[in-house]
Amino acid sequence: QKEVEQNSGPLSVPEGAIASLNCTYSDRGSQSFFWYRQYSGKSPELIMFIYSNGDKEDGRFTAQLNKASQYVSLLIRDSQPSDSATYLCAVNMFASGRGGTSYGKLTFGQGTILTVHP
Amino acid sequence: EADIYQTPRYLVIGTGKKITLECSQTMGHDKMYWYQQDPGMELHLIHYSYGVNSTEKGDLSSESTVSRIRTEHFPLTLESARPSHTSQYLCASSETRGNPYNEQFFGPGTRLTVL
Repeated sequence: QKEVEQNSGPLSVPEGAIASLNCTYSDRGSQSFFWYRQYSGKSPELIMFIYSNGDKEDGRFTAQLNKASQYVSLLIRDSQPSDSATYLCAVNMFASGRGGTSYGKLTFGQGTILTVHP
Repeated sequence: EADIYQTPRYLVIGTGKKITLECSQTMGHDKMYWYQQDPGMELHLIHYSYGVNSTEKGDLSSESTVSRIRTEHFPLTLESARPSHTSQYLCASSETRGNPYNEQFFGPGTRLTVL
């Protein structure tokens, strides 16, 4: 089982609709969760992050977290063609480094391709 | 807005050459990372650094090496490039202070092609 799983899509929605992107993770100790947007050939761009159960809204974007179900989602309202991209879910997990140190590392899902058609 | 830079943006090179991918950030972040991403695939952490003179290998085994002599600079070196090294290399940074959630910012990436 992958540590972070996303539906690879592609997810196709009409302009103006709500796009719903889902992500599940395996490590119950994970504490923070990120959504990045990546246009083709470009680097990931942070959209938002969430660390508490419930919803977090930022403009047209809403992140939802349910730690009991180990599930995080991203809703995009009023989808625009410019939202067409790959959306990456990333989870901050703790791992062991040298000398018994503990560090936080981001583990990424494989991404969901979103296409918003006019 | 994150100020993290990578050079070159694109590199096409022959097998056996030594290459260094540069990454610099002007934000004073203590942590820096290198990820590798093949087209349409996940990002995989190959190296990270918690500060000057601190480097660790990541999840994905890589023949590359890194150094962190200055806070702002985290170069990645391949002593002898091979076609299997063809990929996109992404550098990222984050700040420990005031950032318990490990929010990371990415550079534009270097797309490496080894012939």
